[in-house]
Amino acid sequence: GAVVSQHPSWVICKSGTSVKIECRSLDFQATTMFWYRQFPKQSLMLMATSNEGSKATYEQGVEKDKFLINHASLTLSTLTVTSAHPEDSSFYICSAREFDRVDQPQHFGDGTRLSIL
Amino acid sequence: AQKITQTQPGMFVQEKEAVTLDCTYDTSDQSYGLFWYKQPSSGEMIFLIYQGSYDEQNATEGRYSLNFQKARKSANLVISASQLGDSAMYFCAMREYSSASKIIFGSGTRLSIRP
Repeated sequence: GAVVSQHPSWVICKSGTSVKIECRSLDFQATTMFWYRQFPKQSLMLMATSNEGSKATYEQGVEKDKFLINHASLTLSTLTVTSAHPEDSSFYICSAREFDRVDQPQHFGDGTRLSIL
Repeated sequence: AQKITQTQPGMFVQEKEAVTLDCTYDTSDQSYGLFWYKQPSSGEMIFLIYQGSYDEQNATEGRYSLNFQKARKSANLVISASQLGDSAMYFCAMREYSSASKIIFGSGTRLSIRP
């Protein structure tokens, strides 16, 4: 149980393109979803927290207009990297949690490797 | 200030030996949870084990156990009888009750198992 599906796994695109990444909870309803960014050999950096039906809460230093997050349903959140540039190249990984309890682990998708040429 | 500290950037261990990955944390909350995740080179994050701040017993899950020392604010992961497939990055993480949703990750330890 607790499977999170993230799509696509790899994206290579030209500078200036907008890229959408989907994160789905397959066998549970996710009250909260999270988006992380990870640079090579570094830890996960939380970008934003999204709750279904409300605006995402962005971490300090994360551009809201650059990284658009939509959490339209209890099983789907999307991250859109708008007008992507080479510096946006990174590994993006989403996670979801079913219950808002301190003992609940977050379940992660397999991540998306984004390369902007 | 760092909330989660993992002081071992990398470790090499002989196959079948036990290994301890260090993690210390900083919080003023009384209620919090501690997690360990494994990230293989393929990138996915695999949940390994959880320890609650009020749990009196150390958590165990198969070959994984958590050496929880609350007064010292440490939550070390112990892997018994290491296997080649244990080679990966390991992240310690914490969720504080006061911060509601967020899980904070440490910088990670890269574990390499030698045959």
